[in-house]
Amino acid sequence: DSGVTQTPKHLITATGQRVTLRCSPRSGDLSVYWYQQSLDQGLQFLIQYYNGEERAKGNILERFSAQQFPDLHSELNLSSLELGDSALYFCASSGSQEKSSYNEQFFGPGTRLTVL
Amino acid sequence: LAKTTQPISMDSYEGQEVNITCSHNNIATNDYITWYQQFPSQGPRFIIQGYKTKVTNEVASLFIPADRKSSTLSLPRVSLSDTAVYYCLVGSTGSARQLTFGSGTQLTVLP
Repeated sequence: DSGVTQTPKHLITATGQRVTLRCSPRSGDLSVYWYQQSLDQGLQFLIQYYNGEERAKGNILERFSAQQFPDLHSELNLSSLELGDSALYFCASSGSQEKSSYNEQFFGPGTRLTVL
Repeated sequence: LAKTTQPISMDSYEGQEVNITCSHNNIATNDYITWYQQFPSQGPRFIIQGYKTKVTNEVASLFIPADRKSSTLSLPRVSLSDTAVYYCLVGSTGSARQLTFGSGTQLTVLP
C-alpha cells in the first residue's frame, strides 16, 4: 500500500459525458501528479500540482483539467469523453522537499475509465 | 529529459539473477537514474535510484559505469512474483519532477 488513494476504482460512462477522478496523496506530500496509461500509449504524464498550484504540464488535452485543493487532495476532470479516453488513470504523490534529489513518486491503485 | 532504450522483453527462470540494461546516451550532468516496477493494473513502484557507481538496497542493485551512458538493474534470485514491467527513467529533479516512462522491459519469470 503506497498511501495514495484514488476513487473510484472503476468508472463506466458514455461518450460526451464528464467525469471526475479523485486522489488523496500520502500524508505530508505536497506534490500530486496525474498519469494516463492506455494499451497503445504507455504511461503518459498529464499534469503536476504542488501545494495547490500547477507546476508542470505534460500531454494533457484541453478537455481535461485538474486542481489541487487546500487539503491537498486533487481532482482530475475529464469532459466531452471519447472512446479513446478509456484508460487507467494514476495519481502519484511525492515528498515536500521541492528540490530533493529524489525521483521517487508513490502511485495510487488507479481508476479504470471505460467510455462506451 | 534524456531518452532511454531498454529491451522490450526478457525471460528468466526462478532462482536466477536477472540483469536489465538501459541505455541513456544523452544523460545530463544533473540527471539521476531511477527504476520502477509495474504489475498489471497497478501503479508503478519505485525500486532503486542512483547517480554513479553502484547502489544496492534490499530488492535490487543498480550498476552505473563511469560514463553514465548506461545502467544495469540487477535482480538477485528472481521468483515468479518478479514478473512485471521494469522502467528505466533518467532525469533531474527540479521543481517539476516530471517522470517520462518509456516502453519498459517485460520480465517474465518461468518456473
